[in-house]
Amino acid sequence: AQSVAQPEDQVNVAEGNPLTVKCTYSVSGNPYLFWYVQYPNRGLQFLLKYITGDNLVKGSYGFEAEFNKSQTSFHLKKPSALVSDSALYFCAVRDPSSGGSYIPTFGRGTSLIVHP
Amino acid sequence: DVKVTQSSRYLVKRTGEKVFLECVQDMDHENMFWYRQDPGLGLRLIYFSYDVKMKEKGDIPEGYSVSREKKERFSLILESASTNQTSMYLCASRSYSTSYEQYFGPGTRLTVT
Repeated sequence: AQSVAQPEDQVNVAEGNPLTVKCTYSVSGNPYLFWYVQYPNRGLQFLLKYITGDNLVKGSYGFEAEFNKSQTSFHLKKPSALVSDSALYFCAVRDPSSGGSYIPTFGRGTSLIVHP
Repeated sequence: DVKVTQSSRYLVKRTGEKVFLECVQDMDHENMFWYRQDPGLGLRLIYFSYDVKMKEKGDIPEGYSVSREKKERFSLILESASTNQTSMYLCASRSYSTSYEQYFGPGTRLTVT
């Protein structure tokens, strides 16, 4: 079975400061990991993914995430937050070795609030 | 760019009505999904379609059905709408060959009164 946890319902950060949104996962094999962002009253937009290779993945809007297999984590980071980064962030995991399941599991989401 | 469109952004229906939510994607994706999103519960999968005329129940299929007669279109049907189906409904599509990221529509906020 696959699962994903976003331990923080809300993250507050001042504009210009670095931000981290946490995600941990559980799979039986090697995971496919994803981050999505949702702005108010909009659908989800894909930010970045880890499939294989370099543990540091760079994505849209200056975001990056680091895959850490020993800690089963895939935290989303940005060196300098913008007020416009305020949104809901979702982590998702899929276990490609899970016997044909093509369906990812989403976390419950973390609300990021960047204060001016 | 992949584009996923949903027939309505906002919809208000009465209890007991039959409701159709339409989703269309323009990238020839095989896989399509319907989710509902509720505060504190994240995204919950209602139905998934591998390809035309193929469907699989998700985590919360009760009270819903789907139709996939054409590759680009995936419809969600609420047979008899109830107030507990008031929610945001999100459609997504994905390429079968990569099975990587999903592309989401803008969502339909459905209110059942």
